[in-house]
Amino acid sequence: KAGVTQTPRYLIKTRGQQVTLSCSPISGHRSVSWYQQTPGQGLQFLFEYFSETQRNKGNFPGRFSGRQFSNSRSEMNVSTLELGDSALYLCASSWGSEGRTEAFFGQGTRLTVV
Amino acid sequence: DAKTTQPNSMESNEEEPVHLPCNHSTISGTDYIHWYRQLPSQGPEYVIHGLTSNVNNRMASLAIAEDRKSSTLILHRATLRDAAVYYCILSRETSGSRLTFGEGTQLTVNP
Repeated sequence: KAGVTQTPRYLIKTRGQQVTLSCSPISGHRSVSWYQQTPGQGLQFLFEYFSETQRNKGNFPGRFSGRQFSNSRSEMNVSTLELGDSALYLCASSWGSEGRTEAFFGQGTRLTVV
Repeated sequence: DAKTTQPNSMESNEEEPVHLPCNHSTISGTDYIHWYRQLPSQGPEYVIHGLTSNVNNRMASLAIAEDRKSSTLILHRATLRDAAVYYCILSRETSGSRLTFGEGTQLTVNP
């Protein structure tokens, strides 16, 4: 069974640009969550999508957005990039959207903003 | 979300058991106890989770105190590959699959 696939693995963008990251969950999983990991803030929850609906949102500015498609694949977008957006962005998929379900993470997309 | 407290770091020797503690004194009845680990340069990896009873899987065992205010992740025979940051996380049944990560415990395994 294929794991969670995130593309691209590495990305370099300039301040002010926008970026779109992609996540393909494990087949059959309907929940996709996104996280940002930085050395200073650790792993922080961005948002969760379940059956194309946003279920939860973390404490991030509106420049961070996401969506989920009918095949459960998800994208997140960051507009007007800032230097502080440089981070490892991780996607996790779960079969359900309850606290008892385990999450499976991808390898992440390393975003560098210059 | 209820908070968990873990030691910043622990050390173990290869092939010895490791007991990683986690305190969660404000846990509620519907909070599941999850453990994840993150190896260098990788995304977090699910280890184990439970609600009230002790749990075993091929990776580890989870021992949950009777009052649920603490738990212990047990690696039965540590290997060098087990060196990672281990996160103990409480996940409420109704809060979706959102995980709130703390700083975790950095486990060092000595050969």
